[in-house]
Amino acid sequence: NAGVMQNPRHLVRRRGQEARLRCSPMKGHSHVYWYRQLPEEGLKFMVYLQKENIIDESGMPKERFSAEFPKEGPSILRIQQVVRGDSAAYFCASSPPGTKNIQYFGAGTRLSVL
Amino acid sequence: QKEVEQDPGPLSVPEGAIVSLNCTYSNSAFQYFMWYRQYSRKGPELLMYTYSSGNKEDGRFTAQVDKSSKYISLFIRDSQPSDSATYLCAVGSMDSNYQLIWGAGTKLIIKP
Repeated sequence: NAGVMQNPRHLVRRRGQEARLRCSPMKGHSHVYWYRQLPEEGLKFMVYLQKENIIDESGMPKERFSAEFPKEGPSILRIQQVVRGDSAAYFCASSPPGTKNIQYFGAGTRLSVL
Repeated sequence: QKEVEQDPGPLSVPEGAIVSLNCTYSNSAFQYFMWYRQYSRKGPELLMYTYSSGNKEDGRFTAQVDKSSKYISLFIRDSQPSDSATYLCAVGSMDSNYQLIWGAGTKLIIKP
């Protein structure tokens, strides 16, 4: 049973470009969470999604950031017109139905904005 | 005051020592308590999960929750250099049981 898969592992973008981060949850998991982590800091919740639904996006910046989890395919975190301050590690986690506290993480995508 | 406080360390101990890692939290509504281990440039890995108070043991690891003092601990016995990592505590509640609140993490170094 493969774990949570994130790609790419590293992503370099210039200011103003778009970044698309992908996450495939563990098999059988229907809940996906995106977190952001700055160096030497803890994880900051961004958004919680189920298939075709955004359940809670209270941690998402109001502009430039969006997330989706389509019926088919991975969850996507999209950052438009990236700025240097978007440079961070972005982690995706998934959990099985009924146990949303037990979250399993992917290896993360490290975004660097030049 | 942060909802979850965790000393960032680093905490450096010799191989074989017993390690004690701790977090305090402010909201008595929290009922779920997790410890994750994160190696450098990797994703967090779930180590221990506890619901409500009490102790839970898994091999060399023991998680302890004291709800009266809002204090959670992770003990590592017979520490190994491979235990060197950042340890993150996380708490959650029934009311918002998916949105975990995270400590900043404690960097642990086990010296051979």
